[in-house]
Amino acid sequence: QSVLTQPPSVSGAPGQRVTISCTGSSSNIGAGYDVHWYQQLPGTVPKLLIFGNSNRPSGVPDRYSGSRSGTSASLAISGLQAEDEADYYCQSYDTSLSGSVFGGGTKLTVL
Amino acid sequence: QVQLVQSGAEVKQPGASVKVSCKASGNTFTNYYMDWVRQAPGQGLEWMGIINPSGGITRYAQKLQGRVTMTSDTTTNTVYMELSSLRSEDTAVYYCARGTAVAGYFDDWGQGTLVTVSS
Repeated sequence: QSVLTQPPSVSGAPGQRVTISCTGSSSNIGAGYDVHWYQQLPGTVPKLLIFGNSNRPSGVPDRYSGSRSGTSASLAISGLQAEDEADYYCQSYDTSLSGSVFGGGTKLTVL
Repeated sequence: QVQLVQSGAEVKQPGASVKVSCKASGNTFTNYYMDWVRQAPGQGLEWMGIINPSGGITRYAQKLQGRVTMTSDTTTNTVYMELSSLRSEDTAVYYCARGTAVAGYFDDWGQGTLVTVSS
């Protein structure tokens, strides 16, 4: 049971827009801690996708966007492409656990 | 940016210990942290703990308290993660990842080290 809750899977057709939610609580996202997102392509190392809720590292396309509100955050991917098929993880900090926490991950399938 | 190179795969028996290394290059140890994250086969990411390499200060996930130890060697820019009393559930790929702050994000990752616990 992950501290941050994500849907196990989402899907969309090429060109469509999908969103992945990340629900926390008052001890992590709701406490004001930033949410970060990682993309893990099959068989590869996780890669930072979004940091500080909505910021993209250099080289990440602007098709990826993030937001945070209350005790939740979301990752949106627009103009879906086959190469977006991957696992996506949200991450934040939890004061009760005194450490970082991850969501359980969401598998994105491009139909 | 920093490059993180981890030690090779390990096979251990239940009850043994394993020590994984992570050598940083391209930048110094100062002003950032190193976290360890693991991923069991087919499972999600699990944060294990954090070390401030230059100061040696550590913080571990509550679940692993008493079994995990993180250390650093500033002369070789290397951090280590040792996990003791290994169980089959510890079979996973172990990653080191550069952390921007105690409550920050991970912007560079090692290539991962597979640790298999099996009798």
